[in-house]
Amino acid sequence: DSGVTQTPKHLITATGQRVTLRCSPRSGDLSVYWYQQSLDQGLQFLIQYYNGEERAKGNILERFSAQQFPDLHSELNLSSLELGDSALYFCASSVKVWAPNTQYFGPGTRLTVL
Amino acid sequence: DAKTTQPNSMESNEEEPVHLPCNHSTISGTDYIHWYRQLPSQGPEYVIHGLTSNVNNRMASLAIAEDRKSSTLILHRATLRDAAVYYCILNTGNQFYFGTGTSLTVIP
Repeated sequence: DSGVTQTPKHLITATGQRVTLRCSPRSGDLSVYWYQQSLDQGLQFLIQYYNGEERAKGNILERFSAQQFPDLHSELNLSSLELGDSALYFCASSVKVWAPNTQYFGPGTRLTVL
Repeated sequence: DAKTTQPNSMESNEEEPVHLPCNHSTISGTDYIHWYRQLPSQGPEYVIHGLTSNVNNRMASLAIAEDRKSSTLILHRATLRDAAVYYCILNTGNQFYFGTGTSLTVIP
């Protein structure tokens, strides 16, 4: 158990819909990262927040957005969903924001878009 | 372009050592090398990391080439629970760059 929690574990929805994935970091970790893992793309970094502020952006689509709240939990919002958005979404957290920022990953949310 | 390259798959016999190689020829002086593993249906799990010197912990050892363009993760005695996908990652600044990983099969 990494100490990072993610909800829900599974999510099934239809194309065009909007969903919200939630992540609670390890106690004391200020930095939160979101990743997408699909079969054909591997693990792709989406976005990073540190203490409520966006710090880095990766391959995140404009239809996706995230935020980190004052209690440090984070939410990833996915809108206008397409079939290709079906994937595992992982949240990770770390104490440090700069290398070596060892990240601890949650169990993931499996999103299926029908 | 991937910053790390690893073999797609490897096999090992149970209770034997395993050496998982990784090439990272474009590594810069401040990039850390991390290794994570991912068991089926789980999130990636931290294994070890290093900068220049070889590193040991209770899970594994990390051997880093003198020019830092390659590294090797060493599992001293493979068990069935070590069957996973092993990722070699460059930690640049605040980002992780995952490779495609090596799927390790442990044969009883």
